[in-house]
Amino acid sequence: EVQLVQSGAEVKKPGESLKISCKGSGYSFTSYWIGWVRQMPGKGLEWMGIIYPGDSDTRYSPSFQGQVTISADKSISTAYLQWSSLKASDTAMYYCVRRRNYYDSSGYKPYFDYWGQGTLVTVSS
Amino acid sequence: DIQMTQSPSSLSASVGDRVTITCQASQDISNYLNWYQQKPGKAPKLLIYDASNLETGVPSRFSGSGSGTDFTFTISSLQPEDIATYYCQQYDNLPTWTFGQGTKVEIK
Repeated sequence: EVQLVQSGAEVKKPGESLKISCKGSGYSFTSYWIGWVRQMPGKGLEWMGIIYPGDSDTRYSPSFQGQVTISADKSISTAYLQWSSLKASDTAMYYCVRRRNYYDSSGYKPYFDYWGQGTLVTVSS
Repeated sequence: DIQMTQSPSSLSASVGDRVTITCQASQDISNYLNWYQQKPGKAPKLLIYDASNLETGVPSRFSGSGSGTDFTFTISSLQPEDIATYYCQQYDNLPTWTFGQGTKVEIK
């Protein structure tokens, strides 16, 4: 059974650093891209970035480039999302997702087939 | 950037009703369109990929259609367990994934 299990909720102060995790199991972790999605309180979904654990190729949404760092440790099947200096506006639920491709005659069509349970990050003084 | 306009933002319908949600892209995205369901307090769940393909295990009352810029998501007979917010999502080759604003579905 494919599972993405995320680390627990965090409460931090502005300016602190943070690294949250997402552990994959039940599939070949190095063969699928893992992404991160933000959901601010009461708001919609925003794609942040994605990493291929096989070679650590990483892409970021322009909105999040330079704001966060995505990494992965394939030896323990875990992806990470980290901040060097949190802001109150980083308060949100963060989901990791697995990217899967559907192939047809026009090429590949990617989608997110599995989601982690979410990690709530609260930043408050 | 490709913008996704999803409508309505919310709707209220009776059990058994047909429910339709639309998603419009600001430019042609072919079939690069997926639909997700998010129940209150839960992570989103994939329902439809490639505009019209039903994910394994998803009830057949859910369907999707469209291509290019205009897409439709339908629940053929609304059930109490379908209370959720539904999101469309597009992909382009940058790569970038963009979600619609969401449609909250409630029971009348």
